[in-house]
Amino acid sequence: AQSVTQLDSHVSVSEGTPVLLRCNYSSSYSPSLFWYVQHPNKGLQLLLKYTSAATLVKGINGFEAEFKKSETSFHLTKPSAHMSDAAEYFCVVSGLAGGTSYGKLTFGQGTILTVHP
Amino acid sequence: NAGVTQTPKFRVLKTGQSMTLLCAQDMNHEYMYWYRQDPGMGLRLIHYSVGEGTTAKGEVPDGYNVSRLKKQNFLLGLESAAPSQTSVYFCASSKTSFGEQFFGPGTRLTVL
Repeated sequence: AQSVTQLDSHVSVSEGTPVLLRCNYSSSYSPSLFWYVQHPNKGLQLLLKYTSAATLVKGINGFEAEFKKSETSFHLTKPSAHMSDAAEYFCVVSGLAGGTSYGKLTFGQGTILTVHP
Repeated sequence: NAGVTQTPKFRVLKTGQSMTLLCAQDMNHEYMYWYRQDPGMGLRLIHYSVGEGTTAKGEVPDGYNVSRLKKQNFLLGLESAAPSQTSVYFCASSKTSFGEQFFGPGTRLTVL
């Protein structure tokens, strides 16, 4: 079984300050991990993914995430927030669905990021 | 290259009515998925398909049916809509089982 916990449902930052969105996961297998972003009334867009290569993963728009196996964490960071970063962010783990060879995605509950001028 | 498209974008149904949501992808992906998104619950998998002619149940399949007659299309049906099916529905596709999923823009469904 696999699960994802996003530790904050809402994060509020000022423009130009760092962003930290926290994610913990559990998985019986070596997981693939993703961060997706969803802007209001839009579909989901992939920010970055970890697939057992480098533990520090760089994504689009200046975001990066670090895979820490010992802490079962995959936190998303950005050095300097921009107004256009305001959106909902989902941490996602991919692993085997029980009894199948199918790769199942499990989504966290989402973190809404607000950026103040 | 349109990616993943969904039809319609919005729909309002009365309880007991039926409808079909269409998802189309032009990336030649084998895997396709239907999710529903409800506030505070992330996305939950309804049904998925690992190839043309195949379908399987996800986490919340009750009240929905699907078909994958053509590789590029994945249909989601509601035979008798209920207010609990009010949600935003997303279709996605992927090239591999564990790989990145590409999402459509969503369908906002309201059941009165």
